[in-house]
Amino acid sequence: GIQVEQSPPDLILQEGANSTLRCNFSDSVNNLQWFHQNPWGQLINLFYIPSGTKQNGRLSATTVATERYSLLYISSSQTTDSGVYFCAVGERLTFGEGTQLTVNP
Amino acid sequence: DAGVTQSPTHLIKTRGQHVTLRCSPISGHKSVSWYQQVLGQGPQFIFQYYEKEERGRGNFPDRFSARQFPNYSSELNVNALLLGDSALYLCASSPGASYGYTFGSGTRLTVV
Repeated sequence: GIQVEQSPPDLILQEGANSTLRCNFSDSVNNLQWFHQNPWGQLINLFYIPSGTKQNGRLSATTVATERYSLLYISSSQTTDSGVYFCAVGERLTFGEGTQLTVNP
Repeated sequence: DAGVTQSPTHLIKTRGQHVTLRCSPISGHKSVSWYQQVLGQGPQFIFQYYEKEERGRGNFPDRFSARQFPNYSSELNVNALLLGDSALYLCASSPGASYGYTFGSGTRLTVV
């Protein structure tokens, strides 16, 4: 099956810093989503982005389908951005292992 | 509009028992999928249903089964519970192919 690798596994930032999270996948896909999982376990859909670039406030994402990677950018990070960020690909959503982000005040 | 709703939110069961988890998709969404997330890992795909038919099954034993009803709600059943079945069970719905999935808040199952 398809393999999904996320990096870095852990990231610690000071409030206000910017960050880039990466997702590599092993095969062509027609579905890619970025999620934020809060401390209560809720998976919040950030972007549905099988290709191209999207922006939503301080967050933006770019997927280069031909090179099989996607990037999630977080600008001016806030403590509420803390949690685990997952990339998931494919019709049946194969998830990566996630990036644990901690934003300190 | 209500999002994806799951019930119950928490559940404690004893080894060997049976459990039924329920999911109501977003209105108009005909596809429902189930995922298992153990602590420290990403969610793992269990089942996908579309228009009441099973469209996919992940690498889970036959103790796991599911179904989708005419109103597109779904149940996940797990028989003969093992300690290793303790996890967060997530349900997601989608309008169909080429659309993103929206997840419910999950059911946290503890098997003792």
